[in-house]
Amino acid sequence: DGGITQSPKYLFRKEGQNVTLSCEQNLNHDAMYWYRQDPGQGLRLIYYSQIVNDFQKGDIAEGYSVSREKKESFPLTVTSAQKNPTAFYLCASRRQGAKEAFFGQGTRLTVV
Amino acid sequence: SQKIEQNSEALNIQEGKTATLTCNYTNYSPAYLQWYRQDPGRGPVFLLLIRENEKEKRKERLKVTFDTTLKQSLFHITASQPADSATYLCALDSLGSSASKIIFGSGTRLSIRP
Repeated sequence: DGGITQSPKYLFRKEGQNVTLSCEQNLNHDAMYWYRQDPGQGLRLIYYSQIVNDFQKGDIAEGYSVSREKKESFPLTVTSAQKNPTAFYLCASRRQGAKEAFFGQGTRLTVV
Repeated sequence: SQKIEQNSEALNIQEGKTATLTCNYTNYSPAYLQWYRQDPGRGPVFLLLIRENEKEKRKERLKVTFDTTLKQSLFHITASQPADSATYLCALDSLGSSASKIIFGSGTRLSIRP
């Protein structure tokens, strides 16, 4: 089955620790996106990437980092510099030239 | 500043009625606009896309309109059912520094009561 996989579904970390969220897609999509969603709110763009080895900051990139070494993978690292990291994180991908984005099931990160 | 806003945070209507959700944007000139459905704890799922030269788009019980003069899209669900209860998000493309990014509204949580 083709799709976009985020792991793990739930993640707990202690304050001050960096944590990396996984996002893998086997749809052969070029573009990939990371969003953050807080309770009762919409999606805010963290980082996005159109091609391998290239990515751009979104609206709330501070305290986050990404890499795009492979087309199918776009991991997100939440660093200790992120002041309020507890949130629901969503990864998406899109084929070049297409409009519709496909989302993973999300990772709920809780920092204690 | 650029904004995409969904006017109602929550909407509660009776089963069988038509639900109408609103999406307004400021300082964007989108060639198209998309609507997604999100269930609790899950990722959004694409529903419909409407282009700037289309006034209306339909898919089964869903209807979307797009008014570029008003900078507004309306999303209608006719003959609503409890299974339609979810959060609905509008989205548009905005050109970033070297690639297009997808910007989402804040969403409207729709509840259909039996």
